[in-house]
Amino acid sequence: EVQLVESGGGLVKPGGSLRLSCAASGFTFTNFPMNWVRQAPGKGLEWVSSIDTSGSFVYYAGSVKGRFTISRDIAKKSLYLQLTSLRAEDTAVYYCAKGMTSVTTNAFDIWGQGTFVAVSS
Amino acid sequence: EIVLTQSPATLSLSPGERATLSCRASQSVSRYLAWYQQKPGQAPRLLIYDASNRATGIPARFSGSGSGTDFTLTISSLEPEDFAVYYCQQRDNWPLTFGAGTKVEI
Repeated sequence: EVQLVESGGGLVKPGGSLRLSCAASGFTFTNFPMNWVRQAPGKGLEWVSSIDTSGSFVYYAGSVKGRFTISRDIAKKSLYLQLTSLRAEDTAVYYCAKGMTSVTTNAFDIWGQGTFVAVSS
Repeated sequence: EIVLTQSPATLSLSPGERATLSCRASQSVSRYLAWYQQKPGQAPRLLIYDASNRATGIPARFSGSGSGTDFTLTISSLEPEDFAVYYCQQRDNWPLTFGAGTKVEI
């Protein structure tokens, strides 16, 4: 079964840091780009970041560029998102999503269940 | 940044009726548009990719059309499980963007 399982969310103070993880299974992890998408409470979906199959090329939304870092570990079949300088507006459910094909700009065909990040003092 | 405008914001329909959802892009995205369905408390689910291709396991009552800047998601006959929020997403250009969503309610 193709599956993505996120972890690492929680409550953090403004200015703090957090590392999100996404464990992949059921597909060849190295063949697909991976992505993070977030959803603030009661709001719509917002693309956050993408990483290509090799990990060489990364892309960020303007709202997180310079504060968040995406990475992947091929051996562990895992995707990560390092969140720093967190703000209240970063409060959201963070979803890990698999790219549909090997092309980095992609539709997202598999989603994890999400992990909630709350930024509050 | 490509802005996707979805309309209407809310669509009130009954089971068995036809639903027509619109997504308009601020500039051409060719056919690189996807549609997702999201139910409360769940992750989004891919319905349609590249404007008109149904994703794996998606029923035939869901269809997509359009190219350039104007796209449509049609649900031919609403089933009870189809009442949800629908989002469009473009993959033509960075940053990838989503529309604000259309809620299909009873």
